[in-house]
Amino acid sequence: QSVLTQPPSVSAAPGQKVTISCSGSSSNIGKNYVSWYQQFPGTAPKLLIYDNNKRPSGIPDRFSGSKSGTSATLGITGLQTGDEADYYCVAWDSSLSAVFGGGTKLTVL
Amino acid sequence: VQLLESGGGLVQPGGSLRLSCAASGFTFSSYAMSWVRQAPGKGLEWVSSISVSAKTYYADSVKGRFTISRDNSKNTLYLHMNSLRAEDTAVYYCAKAEQLERRQGGYFDYWGQGTLATVSS
Repeated sequence: QSVLTQPPSVSAAPGQKVTISCSGSSSNIGKNYVSWYQQFPGTAPKLLIYDNNKRPSGIPDRFSGSKSGTSATLGITGLQTGDEADYYCVAWDSSLSAVFGGGTKLTVL
Repeated sequence: VQLLESGGGLVQPGGSLRLSCAASGFTFSSYAMSWVRQAPGKGLEWVSSISVSAKTYYADSVKGRFTISRDNSKNTLYLHMNSLRAEDTAVYYCAKAEQLERRQGGYFDYWGQGTLATVSS
């Protein structure tokens, strides 16, 4: 059981928008930054969003992040079939450990 | 930035393994580093981190069994794993950690391709 809670799967049609939620607590998301990662099968994760809503160089602005209280959300607009992947949220806990969400599988119908 | 893990393999329960991560393309000594693992078909799990000053952090699941270390002269990160259990079977990723000791926590900006450690008799 992961410390951060994500929906196991989400789906949407090409061109549409999808959001992935990440729920935590006051000891992690509530006081610390959230980052998001994209992982294709058999490959290493890739940083998508850091510090709640910042995008690294090279990440398109179709990807966005937000945080409110003890929850965070990843948004993806203009969905493409190439966005089909697993998405993970991460935050640091007050016990000085990084906690991951269980991951969300995105299907682009 | 390149991170290249090695050292994975098959080991019996109770055995030991040392993973290495060779780093290049950045000033290794100036950045914190981490290990993150992924059991077959499962999600990602943080294992351990080491700061620039070699302060170490561990997940409860590996505390007392795993040791993270770094050799800045060789630009290499290590994970010494002892008393291995079947549940330690996973792909182990090395990741560069930004802002590790910032009050609000850090993030993993670059990842290696991983090395598979299998614990089985």
